[in-house]
Amino acid sequence: DAKTTQPNSMESNEEEPVHLPCNHSTISGTDYIHWYRQLPSQGPEYVIHGLTSNVNNRMASLAIAEDRKSSTLILHRATLRDAAVYYCIRGYGGATNKLIFGTGTLLAVQP
Amino acid sequence: DAMVIQNPRYQVTQFGKPVTLSCSQTLNHNVMYWYQQKSSQAPKLLFHYYDKDFNNEADTPDNFQSRRPNTSFCFLDIRSPGLGDTAMYLCATRGSSGNTIYFGEGSWLTVV
Repeated sequence: DAKTTQPNSMESNEEEPVHLPCNHSTISGTDYIHWYRQLPSQGPEYVIHGLTSNVNNRMASLAIAEDRKSSTLILHRATLRDAAVYYCIRGYGGATNKLIFGTGTLLAVQP
Repeated sequence: DAMVIQNPRYQVTQFGKPVTLSCSQTLNHNVMYWYQQKSSQAPKLLFHYYDKDFNNEADTPDNFQSRRPNTSFCFLDIRSPGLGDTAMYLCATRGSSGNTIYFGEGSWLTVV
């Protein structure tokens, strides 16, 4: 199956780090790993993506396992505005880079 | 400013009455996608365009059609909506050399 596997839900406290895991055991060598998040009643929003190396941006960090069968999205300090559904997505399809969404993780952030 | 604009944001249509959702983009991106997202589910890819080349997903019902008259605009036509087509429809774009996909805010369609 091309989809990824994520926990259905996670909880975090505000200002603490959050580690969101994802399994993608059937990923092929050229597939990127993407993370998007979706707030209620909005379209998905890009968070980060990577291929092999760990990646950092202003929103988050992405840690990719050496065998690429799993990855972890790291929010360094969760805020209430980070409460959303986080999708780990395997991107494939060459030039068109189709994103096939898995079920996602609903992140709740407690004050 | 919004870069992927979907209209209408909310649409109620009657069972069997054709409906068209529109998407426009200011990014000049080659690739445009349409996703369907039902309540409490993840978005599901319906089809996409690479320039004018149309690519349908294998499990997209024939009831769903699309048109892309130019780079900036793309339309989703639902010929005979059923109650099960009630969903949010998401348009997204990507440039040919980029990896980031930009989504619109979605069009909420209710079929009654």
